[in-house]
Amino acid sequence: QVHLQESGPGMVKASETLSLTCAVSGYSISSNNYWGWIRQSPEKGLEWIGSVYYSGHTYQNPSLKSRVTISIDTSKSQFFLKVTSVTAADTALYYCARFADYSDTFDIWGQGTVVTVSS
Amino acid sequence: QSVLTQSPSVSAAPGQKVTISCSGSSSNIGKNFVSWFQHLPGTAPKLLIYKDDKRPSEIPDRFSGSKSGTSATLAITGLQTGDEADYFCATWDSSLSARVFGGGTKLTVL
Repeated sequence: QVHLQESGPGMVKASETLSLTCAVSGYSISSNNYWGWIRQSPEKGLEWIGSVYYSGHTYQNPSLKSRVTISIDTSKSQFFLKVTSVTAADTALYYCARFADYSDTFDIWGQGTVVTVSS
Repeated sequence: QSVLTQSPSVSAAPGQKVTISCSGSSSNIGKNFVSWFQHLPGTAPKLLIYKDDKRPSEIPDRFSGSKSGTSATLAITGLQTGDEADYFCATWDSSLSARVFGGGTKLTVL
């Protein structure tokens, strides 16, 4: 059974860098899938941040691209999100998810982790 | 603020049918596949429908999806109290070059 679990600091100070990890179990992270980050806030709703392939190829939401880095470590079966220069607008529930070609969508999601940006 | 528009809430009685709509444009729903998710707060969103009208094997056939032009619809028949949840749609927007989502519709089973 595929399982994704987000982890990271629940609070980040404004202007600093938000860092999250998604651990994948029950499935090979090196399979033919992209792995993505999505966030949800009351102000913006659900927002796709970006995705990474096992090769390290990434593609990101143009609206966030300048501040976002997504990477992957296949040896640890984990992928990562970094968002620099955070503001209160980055306060959200962050999800990681698997993107599957068969479905053309994110078919497996983690439960999400809340990140609050403090001033 | 969401690119895809959904009604905030819908309600119906147990056993009834409900439809949830997702409205977009020619750059998203009009040319790309739509998927639907069920989400209970504090849990992982669950895929209900993909590629407009396909169901994962574990999803009961009470759930169905359709699309026409720039709108998509999720239908749920034989409503159960366990269906109370938020439902949201998703697709790719070719103009924004981004995955986009609906704002979600809260289903109440009275």
